[in-house]
Amino acid sequence: QSVLTQPPSASGTPGQRVTISCSGSSSNIRSNTVNWYQQLPGTAPKLLIYTNNQRPSGVPDRFSGSKSGTSASLAISGLQSEDEADYYCEAWDDSLNGVVFGGGTKLTVL
Amino acid sequence: QITLKESGPTLVKPTQTLTLTCTFSGFSLSTSGVGVGWIRQPPGKALEWLALIYWDDDKRYSPSLKSRLTITKDTSKNQVVLTMTNMDPVDTATYSCAHRRDDILTGFDYWGQGTLVTVSS
Repeated sequence: QSVLTQPPSASGTPGQRVTISCSGSSSNIRSNTVNWYQQLPGTAPKLLIYTNNQRPSGVPDRFSGSKSGTSASLAISGLQSEDEADYYCEAWDDSLNGVVFGGGTKLTVL
Repeated sequence: QITLKESGPTLVKPTQTLTLTCTFSGFSLSTSGVGVGWIRQPPGKALEWLALIYWDDDKRYSPSLKSRLTITKDTSKNQVVLTMTNMDPVDTATYSCAHRRDDILTGFDYWGQGTLVTVSS
């Protein structure tokens, strides 16, 4: 059971906009910043969004992040087939004094 | 550029101790704010954070695994070592190390390729 809760799956058609939610608590998301990772099949995770809504160099602006209260969201606009991957949220948890990950969301591009 | 690479045994027996080494380049673990963490992923399952060590030797552990984990660093060799005692088949996973900078809140911005560790007799 992950500390951060994500839907196990999401889907969309090419060109569509999809959002993936990440639900936490006052000790993690409300108090700290949220990061998002993309994991393509058979590869290491890649940082997609950091500090709630910042994109590392090279990440397309189709990817965006937001946070409100104890929840965060990752939005992908103009969905492409290469976006099919697993997506994870992550934050620091003050109560656990460490890093927590979400359970991951498998995105399927129909 | 920053790179990290994990090394260690691919197969361990139940009850044995696992020792993994993360060898990195492109940054120094003596730079303020820098940390190296270990994360694992059982086949087909989610990411699980294990441990973190910072430039000032501050160490953090997953509460559920704290009693079994030890993380250390050798700044001169650019290495971070993770030991996990009393290995069990449920610990079969890909183990990865990753760089982060908590001073500018980067998250885990660089990852190693990971190494698959199988626990079996």
